Amino acid sequence: GAGVSQSPSNKVTEKGKDVELRCDPISGHTALYWYRQRLGQGLEFLIYFQGNSAPDKSGLPSDRFSAERTGESVSTLTIQRTQQEDSAVYLCASSDGQGPTEAFFGQGTRLTVV
Amino acid sequence: SQQGEEDPQALSIQEGENATMNCSYKTSINNLQWYRQNSGRGLVHLILIRSNEREKHSGRLRVTLDTSKKSSSLLITASRAADTASYFCAPRGYQKVTFGTGTKLQVIP
Repeated sequence: GAGVSQSPSNKVTEKGKDVELRCDPISGHTALYWYRQRLGQGLEFLIYFQGNSAPDKSGLPSDRFSAERTGESVSTLTIQRTQQEDSAVYLCASSDGQGPTEAFFGQGTRLTVV
Repeated sequence: SQQGEEDPQALSIQEGENATMNCSYKTSINNLQWYRQNSGRGLVHLILIRSNEREKHSGRLRVTLDTSKKSSSLLITASRAADTASYFCAPRGYQKVTFGTGTKLQVIP
């Protein structure tokens, strides 16, 4: 596609359920990033992929959070046993990975845990 | 970490006035990028200034970079209501892209 695509746009889930958030980066972009943004806050880095490897997953807040990337393309962020504090917008971005070039963002998934 | 910190946290101006926001960082960089975010959704890249550049223009945007002070500024001239958004800087080396808490700009019509 022409841009970074995230799905779903919105997700409401019950506390304790697992959720999967999907990111389709721009074709050919080797670098992929996940961020979390709570209401009125800045962007919190979660994890960074270069190809299918994650050289930096230091931002994952707990072992309930995991992410994978396959085919140097789509990435899935999984949150297990969701808690109310997981409610946030989850943003994905990709870049061509050829050095510090600009990052292109998707429109995010707004997750609400009730 | 190459995370930048934006200042001020919030800025409110009248339409037509200029808006200036600043970014400070701590490590050496290859370039510094500014982004805008509307309504809590995806960020949009505005402008990139390389470490060997001191000033760059794009339309109503003017960015300066002072690597000796590890700081950058973003000036928006003749502001419009549509410029109301949050603005983030991203100092870039060869590591992950990280962002600060941003400057929330409100332009009052």
